[in-house]
Amino acid sequence: EDQVTQSPEALRLQEGESSSLNCSYTVSGLRGLFWYRQDPGKGPEFLFTLYSAGEEKEKERLKATLTKKESFLHITAPKPEDSATYLCAVRRSGGYQKVTFGTGTKLQVIP
Amino acid sequence: KAGVTQTPRYLIKTRGQQVTLSCSPISGHRSVSWYQQTPGQGLQFLFEYFSETQRNKGNFPGRFSGRQFSNSRSEMNVSTLELGDSALYLCASSPAGTSSYNEQFFGPGTRLTVL
Repeated sequence: EDQVTQSPEALRLQEGESSSLNCSYTVSGLRGLFWYRQDPGKGPEFLFTLYSAGEEKEKERLKATLTKKESFLHITAPKPEDSATYLCAVRRSGGYQKVTFGTGTKLQVIP
Repeated sequence: KAGVTQTPRYLIKTRGQQVTLSCSPISGHRSVSWYQQTPGQGLQFLFEYFSETQRNKGNFPGRFSGRQFSNSRSEMNVSTLELGDSALYLCASSPAGTSSYNEQFFGPGTRLTVL
């Protein structure tokens, strides 16, 4: 059974205070690891896909990295509008596999 | 390009009733997946459809069912509703051809409340 564990469950940052969110995963053969952002009452918004260890992707203040066992979402100089729940998910390789989600990290950025 | 649309956005039902939720994927996307999201469990996979065929199914009872039409639109049905079925039901679409099994794009969800 694929497993995704995200930490911390909640994170409170001052505006401009950089930090990282962690996503640990267990999957036999990774096809892709995904990061999403979800605002209250809305569907998740796609951020990044990472396919292999060592890969990095950036978008504005966000940078996602991937190792063989975990992924990090680095947030540099966050702003209040970055407040959201960040979800990590994995899809196993081989045939048509479902996507398994972690329970997310709820980020609050204080002005 | 229009995003994923889901109808209705909100629904209130009573125990024992049944409900049908609808999802229209992004134009050109052929795969539709359904998820249940609750505060305690996070996103739980229900099922995935591709070209009108169910490709995957999660660990939900048979009361949960779905289908996909030839235009890729999808519906899910929950029969004999229980209080625990109260959740946000999310639909996600993906191009998901045989060689492009990649990210999913979510709709805004249907908030189902069972009384």
